[in-house]
Amino acid sequence: DAGITQSPRHKVTETGTPVTLRCHQTENHRYMYWYRQDPGHGLRLIHYSYGVKDTDKGEVSDGYSVSRSKTEDFLLTLESATSSQTSVYFCAISESPGLAEETQYFGPGTRLLVL
Amino acid sequence: AQSVTQLDSQVPVFEEAPVELRCNYSSSVSVYLFWYVQYPNQGLQLLLKYLSGSTLVKGINGFEAEFNKSQTSFHLRKPSVHISDTAEYFCAVSAHNNAGNMLTFGGGTRLMVKP
Repeated sequence: DAGITQSPRHKVTETGTPVTLRCHQTENHRYMYWYRQDPGHGLRLIHYSYGVKDTDKGEVSDGYSVSRSKTEDFLLTLESATSSQTSVYFCAISESPGLAEETQYFGPGTRLLVL
Repeated sequence: AQSVTQLDSQVPVFEEAPVELRCNYSSSVSVYLFWYVQYPNQGLQLLLKYLSGSTLVKGINGFEAEFNKSQTSFHLRKPSVHISDTAEYFCAVSAHNNAGNMLTFGGGTRLMVKP
């Protein structure tokens, strides 16, 4: 299994509070991704990173920000959580140079509930 | 842009019966095709992928998929399912952009294998 951990694994928070989710990898892969999984929608890309300090938006980036100060860590922040952000969040990684045919490897997920 | 449609949200099947999970995609460029499996409370793992060459792709756990370019389909099949195959299955496509491979997922198909 690819060395990907996510923390926390479960979180309950209240509307309006900031939340940060962490993805940590031990594979030294260049590309990292954050997805959210919702019933009927599969997984949708929130943000991705193609190197330290290099990030870009995905399909559903509104209300989320990311940071990557080290190769191994990719942080997802909800600046002011809303109930619509209740979801399961997955981190994924892929090896340099991020070719389209490469496999993405997924972490175990973080289940977030916003009350 | 790409899109993926998984035609069945749930597929119930008896143990040892054959199964087909359907996936159709649309894209204006050449794509690569993937099937991922998600066991309960786990992350996603790669089942198989089509990059080029033979249109019949064999994956792990006895699964195979056939790429049909004219019908823009990539259906997943298994001749005899086991209880342990109960999981959610996601079809995905990727196309290279200038920052890495971007995966677009279908909504998922929940395979329920009954004894």
